[in-house]
Amino acid sequence: EAGVTQSPTHLIKTRGQQATLRCSPISGHTSVYWYQQALGLGLQFLLWYDEGEERNRGNFPPRFSGRQFPNYSSELNVNALELEDSALYLCASSLSSGVQETQYFGPGTRLLVL
Amino acid sequence: QQQVKQSPQSLIVQKGGISIINCAYENTAFDYFPWYQQFPGKGPALLIAIRPDVSEKKEGRFTISFNKSAKQFSLHIMDSQPGDSATYFCAASWYSSASKIIFGSGTRLSIRP
Repeated sequence: EAGVTQSPTHLIKTRGQQATLRCSPISGHTSVYWYQQALGLGLQFLLWYDEGEERNRGNFPPRFSGRQFPNYSSELNVNALELEDSALYLCASSLSSGVQETQYFGPGTRLLVL
Repeated sequence: QQQVKQSPQSLIVQKGGISIINCAYENTAFDYFPWYQQFPGKGPALLIAIRPDVSEKKEGRFTISFNKSAKQFSLHIMDSQPGDSATYFCAASWYSSASKIIFGSGTRLSIRP
């Protein structure tokens, strides 16, 4: 069974540009989560999508947004990039959202903003 | 109140020794405490988890100790091996909701051969 996949693996942008990161969950998983892993700061929860809807978001500005497609894959968009957006962006998926389900993480997309 | 504080930031242990990573939380509503292991270039993977109705959970060489009154929990790795070298994250969440997990800042563990 294929795990969570993310693309691209690396992304280099300049300040002010927009970045689009993509995630494909494990087959059968309906919930997708996005996290930011900045150096020395652990994982910060960004967004949670389930059944195509945004269910919750972390303490990030509105320029961080995303969506979930009918096939449950997801896209994270970061507008007006700032230098401090440089981080590893991790996507995770789980079977359902109501009861605690293990989140399975992808390998991440490393975003560098110059 | 939502924070999970993890220590130490980095840890070096000799092969065969015991690795101990500690975490503390403030929100008493948390009722699920997982530990994640992350190797370089990989996403975190669930290692072991505990709920506060037990004080200890053991899976192979990995043990979680939980102290509800002190709001602390720790990961013990017995007979540490070079293959255990990774970054470890403790976390806390609400069992009834998978939507949001609060992660600690991580501990980079190095096992010396």
